[in-house]
Amino acid sequence: DAKTTQPNSMESNEEEPVHLPCNHSTISGTDYIHWYRQLPSQGPEYVIHGLTSNVNNRMASLAIAEDRKSSTLILHRATLRDAAVYYCILSPTSGTYKYIFGTGTRLKVLA
Amino acid sequence: DAGVIQSPRHEVTEMGQEVTLRCKPISGHDYLFWYRQTMMRGLELLIYFNNNVPIDDSGMPEDRFSAKMPNASFSTLKIQPSEPRDSAVYFCASSLGSVWNNQPQHFGDGTRLSIL
Repeated sequence: DAKTTQPNSMESNEEEPVHLPCNHSTISGTDYIHWYRQLPSQGPEYVIHGLTSNVNNRMASLAIAEDRKSSTLILHRATLRDAAVYYCILSPTSGTYKYIFGTGTRLKVLA
Repeated sequence: DAGVIQSPRHEVTEMGQEVTLRCKPISGHDYLFWYRQTMMRGLELLIYFNNNVPIDDSGMPEDRFSAKMPNASFSTLKIQPSEPRDSAVYFCASSLGSVWNNQPQHFGDGTRLSIL
């Protein structure tokens, strides 16, 4: 199974943009890139996903490198409620349908 | 709309007792997943079902663990007998559609299990 690598922790000031990186150098051609986040004492929450093109939704943007070996989750204006652990996950489109969660990036937002 | 509902939210029991965790997926979802989260091992997939049928149980740690899905709206994860190392937060998730549709998984708030 393809794996992802993320920094253990990051800090951001409130109302500033945050760029959360993820490396996935062994990604296969049909793996989707998913991002989830987990707030304290809650289950993971879907944020965004993409395959090749950059994606935007109401929560965030996903920028995918041209070679797909890395991606970046962009929170345009961080708020205190965005403090969470962010997971980058590869989801295969063949074989077994399962996520492999890494250790994620713990985002701290400073007021 | 109701999300994934798990019960109980907290469970404290003594070693050797049987533990049953319950999950009600989102109505209409055809995939159901059971995960376990610990500080040491992070979030791990234990088993998942498609249309009530277990598809992949390779993450189930040992024979003490069993999971069932008798119908589309209910699943259980049972541990018998329980051991202190089973202490963790157990999450249930559901999704709509196959891997080809790549639909997101929706997680419940989890059951925090403590085995004394």
